[in-house]
Amino acid sequence: DSGVTQTPKHLITATGQRVTLRCSPRSGDLSVYWYQQSLDQGLQFLIQYYNGEERAKGNILERFSAQQFPDLHSELNLSSLELGDSALYFCASSGGLNGGPLDTQYFGPGTRLTVL
Amino acid sequence: TQLLEQSPQFLSIQEGENLTVYCNSSSVFSSLQWYRQEPGEGPVLLVTVVTGGEVKKLKRLTFQFGDARKDSSLHITAAQPGDTGLYLCAGDLVYGNKLVFGAGTILRVKS
Repeated sequence: DSGVTQTPKHLITATGQRVTLRCSPRSGDLSVYWYQQSLDQGLQFLIQYYNGEERAKGNILERFSAQQFPDLHSELNLSSLELGDSALYFCASSGGLNGGPLDTQYFGPGTRLTVL
Repeated sequence: TQLLEQSPQFLSIQEGENLTVYCNSSSVFSSLQWYRQEPGEGPVLLVTVVTGGEVKKLKRLTFQFGDARKDSSLHITAAQPGDTGLYLCAGDLVYGNKLVFGAGTILRVKS
């Protein structure tokens, strides 16, 4: 158990819909990262928040957005869903700002999103 | 095209055999990490290598970072069924935030 929790575990929805994925970081961790894992693209970094502020952006679509709340939990919002958005979405947390080699990222168990 | 090329994509071996997984790139990384992921779970960090030429050992696992910091390898000695899983390498292009992952190597160790 990494200490990172994600809800829901599974989500099935239809094209065009909007969903919200939730992540609670490990106690005391200030950084939250979101990743998407699919068969064709592998594991891809989407976005990082540190203490409520956006710190880094990766391959995140404009239809996707995220935020980190004062209690440090984070939500990833996916809108106008397409079939290709079906994937595993992971949240990770770390204690520091940089996420560098001295700052281990701990991954949650993921949310499996299926868009029909 | 993946920035980090992992090979092989799939490996099925008998218990007790040795194996090596490779992670190659034309880019230089400030650090490189290896993760193992099991079905239904998130990746778990195994090791981080930072210095070119660095070798780290974790029980039966040996990790090496290339001298030019463009490649890495993971060697497992006397593989066991418990080693089964997806092995991912991830590189940090800029010190900090954006990890780039390889496509992964699926390892199956048969008893």
